[in-house]
Amino acid sequence: NAGVTQTPKFQVLKTGQSMTLQCAQDMNHEYMSWYRQDPGMGLRLIHYSVGAGITDQGEVPNGYNVSRSTTEDFPLRLLSAAPSQTSVYFCASSYSGGPHQETQYFGPGTRLLVL
Amino acid sequence: AQSVAQPEDQVNVAEGNPLTVKCTYSVSGNPYLFWYVQYPNRGLQFLLKYITGDNLVKGSYGFEAEFNKSQTSFHLKKPSALVSDSALYFCAVRAIKAAGNKLTFGGGTRVLVKP
Repeated sequence: NAGVTQTPKFQVLKTGQSMTLQCAQDMNHEYMSWYRQDPGMGLRLIHYSVGAGITDQGEVPNGYNVSRSTTEDFPLRLLSAAPSQTSVYFCASSYSGGPHQETQYFGPGTRLLVL
Repeated sequence: AQSVAQPEDQVNVAEGNPLTVKCTYSVSGNPYLFWYVQYPNRGLQFLLKYITGDNLVKGSYGFEAEFNKSQTSFHLKKPSALVSDSALYFCAVRAIKAAGNKLTFGGGTRVLVKP
């Protein structure tokens, strides 16, 4: 299994540009989430999904959109990039049931710089 | 609302000495508690979790953590630290009934193990 994969690894955007961060998992996990990591603030939840076609907002959803058309993929869209969105973005997935449902598996991250 | 506090930004320890990373939490009802580790330019790796049962939880790489309900703490410990344990450590909490396995993370503690 490749686990959780994210592309790109690094991206530079200009203010106002849009882009999509890709996330895919091959573990057939129902739950997927997007977090952003900023120094001293840990990881904060942006959006999450409990299954294909179902998404909900996390702690810091403004400026981001998500959709989940398949179990495997959970892209994160920046509609109009702002310098405040400079961060490292992590995608995570987990089972919805069973003995390992609580453990989240994280991707390697996407480092985003907005100028 | 759930929250996590990691009171130390950095912990310095000599190789071979005991290592402790502190974590306190706040959550409605019974918690699920986690420790993750992040090595430079990598995603988060799961170390251990407390779900129920024995308050002392053993995890990967010789780490363990003790759940203390009265003090709402979940400190991470290792009896003898290695230089390779130098990394960023995150404590996380989840309410049992949180939708989508949503996690709330602490700000992280950087551990530096000196030879």
